Amino acid sequence: QKEVEQNSGPLSVPEGAIASLNCTYSDRVSQSFFWYRQYSGKSPELIMSIYSNGDKEDGRFTAQLNKASQYVSLLIRDSQPSDSATYLCAGVFASGGSYIPTFGRGTSLIVHP
Amino acid sequence: DGGITQSPKYLFRKEGQNVTLSCEQNLNHDAMYWYRQDPGQGLRLIYYSQIVNDFQKGDIAEGYSVSREKKESFPLTVTSAQKNPTAFYLCASSRAAQETQYFGPGTRLLVL
Repeated sequence: QKEVEQNSGPLSVPEGAIASLNCTYSDRVSQSFFWYRQYSGKSPELIMSIYSNGDKEDGRFTAQLNKASQYVSLLIRDSQPSDSATYLCAGVFASGGSYIPTFGRGTSLIVHP
Repeated sequence: DGGITQSPKYLFRKEGQNVTLSCEQNLNHDAMYWYRQDPGQGLRLIYYSQIVNDFQKGDIAEGYSVSREKKESFPLTVTSAQKNPTAFYLCASSRAAQETQYFGPGTRLLVL
């Protein structure tokens, strides 16, 4: 069973602070990882994808992947109230010739003014 | 405009009724997926298809069926065997199975 685990939160940070979201996974045969943002009642939208070990930066967002520790993180710099949402971590794992996506339960982020 | 469409936005099911949720994409993506999301929960995989005319069961396939006769279409049928169908259903597609998934707007299914 391939599991992706996230702390459900809520994580509360003040406006302008750095928000740190974490995700662990239980299967070593990982292919790729993704962070999605989901507003209440809406569908998920992609923030970042990361395929190899290390950091990947895009604007205020930095994703970090450590395959040896089976750990993925997302840092949001200069957090804004509009960043308040649920953040979903997802991995794609190879299994028997297929690639199977698995989502975590999501972390609720609240950015207060 | 390229994208993924789902219809209807809201769907009401009566007891014992089968209902079909539509998912269409014009992104020329090979892979398509169906997820179920319950309140306060993450996404659970129902079925996925990595190529036309082929599909596999996900974690919670019981009570659901799919077809993939065309690359752009992946309809989901919620059968009467699914006893607790009330949820938010999300369809997604990706260029290849291990690549980024893009989501449709979702269908909210309610039971009368």
